[in-house]
Amino acid sequence: DAGVIQSPRHEVTEMGQEVTLRCKPISGHDYLFWYRQTMMRGLELLIYFNNNVPIDDSGMPEDRFSAKMPNASFSTLKIQPSEPRDSAVYFCASSPEGGGPLNEQFFGPGTRLTVL
Amino acid sequence: GQQVMQIPQYQHVQEGEDFTTYCNSSTTLSNIQWYKQRPGGHPVFLIQLVKSGEVKKQKRLTFQFGEAKKNSSLHITATQTTDVGTYFCAGPVGGNNRKLIWGLGTSLAVNP
Repeated sequence: DAGVIQSPRHEVTEMGQEVTLRCKPISGHDYLFWYRQTMMRGLELLIYFNNNVPIDDSGMPEDRFSAKMPNASFSTLKIQPSEPRDSAVYFCASSPEGGGPLNEQFFGPGTRLTVL
Repeated sequence: GQQVMQIPQYQHVQEGEDFTTYCNSSTTLSNIQWYKQRPGGHPVFLIQLVKSGEVKKQKRLTFQFGEAKKNSSLHITATQTTDVGTYFCAGPVGGNNRKLIWGLGTSLAVNP
């Protein structure tokens, strides 16, 4: 299995530009999570989907952030307009439905975003 | 709100020394997960503990879940340079088993 795939791996953009991060979850996984990681705040859950439906977006910081999952194999996280404080590593993770308490999350390699 | 705290934030050890990181939750957890993130890498699942007082071992790593299910620890015996990284604990938010709240992690450095 290829694991969770994220693109781009690195993104440098200027303040005010639109940024789109992409994620392909592990095939067959029903849950998809978007996280942001910074030194100051650690790992923060932004939003998660179940069967392509957004379940909890309470971690999305502002209206500038939006996420979609048009099908089971693709999700995007968009920031428009981007600001320097959005600079962080953004991780996508997926998790299978499972039948018990185990809910291991499989993380992608992340996208390192720098907003100048 | 619900919080998960980890101590210490950083730990430097000599290769061969033991290492322990502690995780404390402000609320009772139904389970707790541990992940490891190598420098420049992504979090990788290590283990999940579910039962009160549970102890699990993975080679040199020993994981414990407290009796009250509010704290947990990870102990590494005889550290090696391959143990370098940041160790995170994470627990479910409220009754939602899918939404995790994460500690800030303990970064481990091992001097050869």
